[in-house]
Amino acid sequence: GNSVTQMEGPVTLSEEAFLTINCTYTATGYPSLFWYVQYPGEGLQLLLKATKADDKGSNKGFEATYRKETTSFHLEKGSVQVSDSAVYFCALRRGSSNTGKLIFGQGTTLQVKP
Amino acid sequence: EAGVAQSPRYKIIEKRQSVAFWCNPISGHATLYWYQQILGQGPKLLIQFQNNGVVDDSQLPKDRFSAERLKGVDSTLKIQPAKLEDSAVYLCASSLGPWEETQYFGPGTRLLVL
Repeated sequence: GNSVTQMEGPVTLSEEAFLTINCTYTATGYPSLFWYVQYPGEGLQLLLKATKADDKGSNKGFEATYRKETTSFHLEKGSVQVSDSAVYFCALRRGSSNTGKLIFGQGTTLQVKP
Repeated sequence: EAGVAQSPRYKIIEKRQSVAFWCNPISGHATLYWYQQILGQGPKLLIQFQNNGVVDDSQLPKDRFSAERLKGVDSTLKIQPAKLEDSAVYLCASSLGPWEETQYFGPGTRLLVL
């Protein structure tokens, strides 16, 4: 079946450190891939997306590249800030699906310390 | 532009009681989703509406959960009777259509069943 696996959290970093949050997926067809972020007390927000192999999604300094050969979509940021502290969710949407269902990973909590 | 609205934000009930959640999607969004997010897990789709018709309710526990979107705008999700394992955050999301990549999430309703 279709599924998303993320690295276990929490991830604790100092400000200005490099961030990687690993995400791998299992899917039939050619899914679209997403990273959503959930700040404390707020709803999920789309951070970035990629719809086909080798696409790179980017937003707010975050990047992720759709790697079909390794079925991965790792999230990276060169220099994190305290304001990046949040829960990050990797998700997929099946390309052949006639619905819009998102399938989410379990989430990774990021804590950035000053 | 107003976002997805949900109410109430918090609800505490005892098991076997009933509860209802309300969602008002972004104006003009034809597709509406209800997700269940259990603590420590990613959101899971319960039901998807296209206008006032159900597109996907394969993971909705129909013996106790029901949802409607009578006029193709607002939606209500009901649980009757509630069980302890229903304790979760219930997220409503909307999009322009089922093929629209971006889903916009509301702040969620946090339910605690005692």
